[in-house]
Amino acid sequence: NAGVTQTPKFRVLKTGQSMTLLCAQDMNHEYMYWYRQDPGMGLRLIHYSVGEGTTAKGEVPDGYNVSRLKKQNFLLGLESAAPSQTSVYFCASGEGDFGNQPQHFGDGTRLSIL
Amino acid sequence: AQKITQTQPGMFVQEKEAVTLDCTYDTSDQSYGLFWYKQPSSGEMIFLIYQGSYDEQNATEGRYSLNFQKARKSANLVISASQLGDSAMYFCAMREGLTGTASKLTFGTGTRLQVTL
Repeated sequence: NAGVTQTPKFRVLKTGQSMTLLCAQDMNHEYMYWYRQDPGMGLRLIHYSVGEGTTAKGEVPDGYNVSRLKKQNFLLGLESAAPSQTSVYFCASGEGDFGNQPQHFGDGTRLSIL
Repeated sequence: AQKITQTQPGMFVQEKEAVTLDCTYDTSDQSYGLFWYKQPSSGEMIFLIYQGSYDEQNATEGRYSLNFQKARKSANLVISASQLGDSAMYFCAMREGLTGTASKLTFGTGTRLQVTL
């Protein structure tokens, strides 16, 4: 029962470094999402994808890029990390455009930018 | 204006008692969905319950129920017979539109529930 798997779970970066967060889901879901969670602010949508080869901007997309080359994978990239990107990042997936279907979340990636 | 408002940053409840976590929302859509998620200290997000705007009855899932008052735009989560394992952060989230919106969710800031002996 893997569900949604995020790699890595923890990472510390220096300002200006780049990295990619990997999200993999084994539920054959069409839709995938990347969120960030900051203290006192709930989860905010960064980017999302409604299918293989598609991506779209969410609420807070600046400083991030994404790719969905395979249906099961959704990558989040930080090209030049900044301290403001210190956060917990969650990936989620969903079956599609159905009202009552919940999003299924990974366990999160805790990212610190020094 | 915030679309999802959770006004209780923290709540305490005694074991075996019921507790209500408040959630109000703001939308001009007639079709929308409301979700509650639980986030324990381990960090994962666990789906609890869903209420659709056209659902005539309040949603229930085991010890969780949703007190949905459409005219007041509130969707409060009620946990009955609280258990120590219910101690967690609880998030209310809304999907505006039931189709054609990529199922995007807007989250509230959460309520931290602590269950005491």
